[in-house]
Amino acid sequence: QTVVTQEPSLTVSPGGTVTLTCASNTGAVTSANAPNWFQQKPGQAPRPLIYNTNNRHSWTPARFSGSLLGGKGALTLSPVQPEDEAEYYCQLYYGVPQPSWVFGGGTKVTVL
Amino acid sequence: EVQVLESGGGLVQPGGTLRLSCAASGFTVGSSHMSWVRQAPGKGLEWVSLIYSFGSAYYEDSVKGRFTISRDISKNTVFLQMNSLRSEDTALYFCARADTGFDYWGQGTLVTVSS
Repeated sequence: QTVVTQEPSLTVSPGGTVTLTCASNTGAVTSANAPNWFQQKPGQAPRPLIYNTNNRHSWTPARFSGSLLGGKGALTLSPVQPEDEAEYYCQLYYGVPQPSWVFGGGTKVTVL
Repeated sequence: EVQVLESGGGLVQPGGTLRLSCAASGFTVGSSHMSWVRQAPGKGLEWVSLIYSFGSAYYEDSVKGRFTISRDISKNTVFLQMNSLRSEDTALYFCARADTGFDYWGQGTLVTVSS
């Protein structure tokens, strides 16, 4: 069974920098996994932030950036704003044995 | 404006069936990849199913053989037929366009499986 792992929670100060990671139990995350990142606030639908590792959607603020870091997918927020407090989910694509998309368990980011 | 709107959720008994609909506007479902994602109460996101623009469909293991994704291009709508429902299928079901990183989502429709 494929498992995608994220940090359960992170705390950051306003104006600071925080990096969330996304690991796969099948091995290193690569561009072939096409990591996507989503932000979700309570009672709302997920909001897409980053697609295919490092591409921002037209509505995504420049302070959000995606990358591959040490064999994991990564989402960096800098500088963090109070409104960035939310749950963040990564999603990875797996092509074998058949196409599937697996979400991580989510990272709760608290801005204090 | 690109939008998707889910409907069809409700309360159903274990073993029952339900069909969810996802009405699209601002784009054509026949030219896009479309997906269903669910979120159990207080839990994270779980991918359920995806249909490619060319028609191939794929499912998460726990719903294979029970759920079927389909589309009606004339109605610009995607469906999720859910059979043999279990209590663990209780969730908010989101429809999403999956062209560019699952870029547009609806607000979801709630499915509750309980006796």
